[in-house]
Amino acid sequence: SAVISQKPSRDICQRGTSLTIQCQVDSQVTMMFWYRQQPGQSLTLIATANQGSEATYESGFVIDKFPISRPNLTFSTLTVSNMSPEDSSIYLCSVKGGGGYNEQFFGPGTRLTVL
Amino acid sequence: GENVEQHPSTLSVQEGDSAVIKCTYSDSASNYFPWYKQELGKRPQLIIDIRSNVGEKKDQRIAVTLNKTAKHFSLHITETQPEDSAVYFCAARLSGNTPLVFGKGTRLSVIA
Repeated sequence: SAVISQKPSRDICQRGTSLTIQCQVDSQVTMMFWYRQQPGQSLTLIATANQGSEATYESGFVIDKFPISRPNLTFSTLTVSNMSPEDSSIYLCSVKGGGGYNEQFFGPGTRLTVL
Repeated sequence: GENVEQHPSTLSVQEGDSAVIKCTYSDSASNYFPWYKQELGKRPQLIIDIRSNVGEKKDQRIAVTLNKTAKHFSLHITETQPEDSAVYFCAARLSGNTPLVFGKGTRLSVIA
């Protein structure tokens, strides 16, 4: 399986500021996704990060709030903009390999607290 | 879009007993169904998965069954151990390039 790292692992931020989370994979992957997991909750898809084009956002998530970049097949960033306490959550990068492989794996997550 | 329902939300079993978690999905075109285990403070880990052309898959103490007609699939854990205590998530996917849709999770507690 792919080795996925995320930076930072955790952060405490002030209301109104922005944080960029990085996701790095040790091999080229077809698909990269960003999920949010609020305390005690399930995994909610924010968007699919598309290499070389704009991300595909799920209902309830918009580019102005969660801009995403994917410059190549091993790296993506998610920015949480103009943060409020409601953005406090764990943000997880997830990847899926190419070819006939179905497996989807998760990064270690970034725990964000907004004061 | 796809919708996945998961039951129960919490489950307590005695060590050595079996545990069963059930999920239903809404889109009959879904063809891939993984299960993840998430321990406290850790990332979700893939523990077993099944494709739509298979009815059952087993890996040591865990097994997954799929009923395409009824659009439901289940996770079975036998001879449960305290280290099986975690939150388990089921998921479904429509096609290879679409993301997984997750159920709400089941918190399993194995009582020694």
